[in-house]
Amino acid sequence: KQEVTQIPAALSVPEGENLVLNCSFTDSAIYNLQWFRQDPGKGLTSLLLIQSSQREQTSGRLNASLDKSSGRSTLYIAASQPGDSATYLCAVSYSNQGGKLIFGQGTELSVKP
Amino acid sequence: EAQVTQNPRYLITVTGKKLTVTCSQNMNHEYMSWYRQDPGLGLRQIYYSMNVEVTDKGDVPEGYKVSRKEKRNFPLILESPSPNQTSLYFCASSLSEGQGGSPLHFGNGTRLTVT
Repeated sequence: KQEVTQIPAALSVPEGENLVLNCSFTDSAIYNLQWFRQDPGKGLTSLLLIQSSQREQTSGRLNASLDKSSGRSTLYIAASQPGDSATYLCAVSYSNQGGKLIFGQGTELSVKP
Repeated sequence: EAQVTQNPRYLITVTGKKLTVTCSQNMNHEYMSWYRQDPGLGLRQIYYSMNVEVTDKGDVPEGYKVSRKEKRNFPLILESPSPNQTSLYFCASSLSEGQGGSPLHFGNGTRLTVT
């Protein structure tokens, strides 16, 4: 069964700290992987999309890496700020299943001032 | 403004009363999909559509119907809602799922309560 797992479920860090969020997937034949941010009561906002042929993507203080062979992706947040507090989700699309998308359960991040 | 619009934002209904949640996007996106989000279960895909008149089941399609008659609209229909369909629902769209895919844009969600 194709599954996506995110550990830890929750993380609290002081402002300014660099941090890494983890996403693992059981089937390495992915089409792409996306990282999203969800604020309470809101929809999801796409942060980064990594295609299966890529190893990483960067946007501002965010860097996402992809290692298909080990079934892992990481989201690195540099110099964290209180405004980064949100739930971060990863989602995997599999090439043999068209538009199907499987989400992890998310990591709830709290950045303390 | 480029956006995905869902209506209504909140809906309380009774078991068995048919309802439709609308979803519309103004970005000329080919791909659209519906998800439900439940505590402890995360986001699960209900249905998706790769283009007009093309729809496919996601992981939890039972009890739901969709249609894609126009590119911009992708309504979610509950013919006979039951309490286990109480959830937070999201619609999303992207330019295409081909060529490595493209970022998903989400609506703000519809909180449905079925009593």
